[in-house]
Amino acid sequence: AQKITQTQPGMFVQEKEAVTLDCTYDTSDQSYGLFWYKQPSSGEMIFLIYQGSYDEQNATEGRYSLNFQKARKSANLVISASQLGDSAMYFCAMREGRSGGSNYKLTFGKGTLLTVNP
Amino acid sequence: KAGVTQTPRYLIKTRGQQVTLSCSPISGHRSVSWYQQTPGQGLQFLFEYFSETQRNKGNFPGRFSGRQFSNSRSEMNVSTLELGDSALYLCASRPGQASGTEAFFGQGTRLTVV
Repeated sequence: AQKITQTQPGMFVQEKEAVTLDCTYDTSDQSYGLFWYKQPSSGEMIFLIYQGSYDEQNATEGRYSLNFQKARKSANLVISASQLGDSAMYFCAMREGRSGGSNYKLTFGKGTLLTVNP
Repeated sequence: KAGVTQTPRYLIKTRGQQVTLSCSPISGHRSVSWYQQTPGQGLQFLFEYFSETQRNKGNFPGRFSGRQFSNSRSEMNVSTLELGDSALYLCASRPGQASGTEAFFGQGTRLTVV
């Protein structure tokens, strides 16, 4: 069974509009972390935002926010005011086990290719 | 502060050869992880090193190996290359135990096996 599911292979958004990228996850751990990374065509994975399983508030980082619905096991990324430079692949990832523990392994979804149109 | 540096950026090898990829983590980071990215399988975890010890290993054959040096730099080796080993290999670093959450990635080494 897939641990991270991103159901949108591709998404289009108009510049300056908001867009939501979907991510659902599956784990039996009580302690876990959820991440979103951006990968432009250059290949580097750029960290965007993190949500811990015990965090009560949704994480926000500038134009990025994470809509965390624990009961539904979803961690959707919201990008507000899209910019042309936001065009890239976006990956949702999960780390199972507690932060700082010895088991640090990220499991990634298949990604969503976001295209921002002018 | 310099980021994660991977060398070389691009590599072309022949089937049956072996290859060594290098990763220099962010200064002060002691944990280095390696991931393989292919169009078919996506991003898959290879292994993680912390203080010169392998702490975690993904589901890859023994042809894939790695090591970490005392300065935290890491190398990954693939022996007897197969066409299916063509991929982007990404290295990630993090401070290590009990600190930091996100992993910082390098730009990757794109390996092509012909």
